[in-house]
Amino acid sequence: DAGVIQSPRHEVTEMGQEVTLRCKPISGHNSLFWYRQTMMRGLELLIYFNNNVPIDDSGMPEDRFSAKMPNASFSTLKIQPSEPRDSAVYFCASSSLGLAGGRAGELFFGEGSRLTVL
Amino acid sequence: AQSVTQPDIHITVSEGASLELRCNYSYGATPYLFWYVQSPGQGLQLLLKYFSGDTLVQGIKGFEAEFKRSQSSFNLRKPSVHWSDAAEYFCAVGPSGGSYIPTFGRGTSLIVHP
Repeated sequence: DAGVIQSPRHEVTEMGQEVTLRCKPISGHNSLFWYRQTMMRGLELLIYFNNNVPIDDSGMPEDRFSAKMPNASFSTLKIQPSEPRDSAVYFCASSSLGLAGGRAGELFFGEGSRLTVL
Repeated sequence: AQSVTQPDIHITVSEGASLELRCNYSYGATPYLFWYVQSPGQGLQLLLKYFSGDTLVQGIKGFEAEFKRSQSSFNLRKPSVHWSDAAEYFCAVGPSGGSYIPTFGRGTSLIVHP
């Protein structure tokens, strides 16, 4: 089975540019998470979707960040405008939380998108 | 609110030596507990989990963890470490308040010397 697929794997951009990160969750999963990982802050939850609806976006740093999940098989995380402090690895994870046979709390992670903002 | 503490930022062991990574949690009820591993350049992968029942759980790659309610701990162990075990290890606790969002610790970096 295909795992969580993220693109791009690496992105280098200049300050002020728009960045869009993409995620395809595992088919059949009903929950999707966006995390950011840095040396300073560790793993931070940015936003959590359940059945394509944003449930908790309290971790989104500021208005420059936005996330969408137009359908069950696709999500985007957009940063506009980007700043050097946004440089990090961004992970998408999916899970089948609450579904019959689902395993509460078990997340399946993509390989991440490494963002460098110059 | 739930929280997870991994007191060791780095752990260095020799190949073949035993390993124990510490994890302490704070949670009002019986928690779900997890250990994830992150190899360099990769995402996190589930090693093992505890939901209920036997407090000693076995995971992949020869790892095990023991849930000790009295100590609020869920330490990860391996009897003999291999060089390929060098990675970042994350302890997580969940769920929280009816949602299913796990809370992750800051991680412990394992360095394996030949």
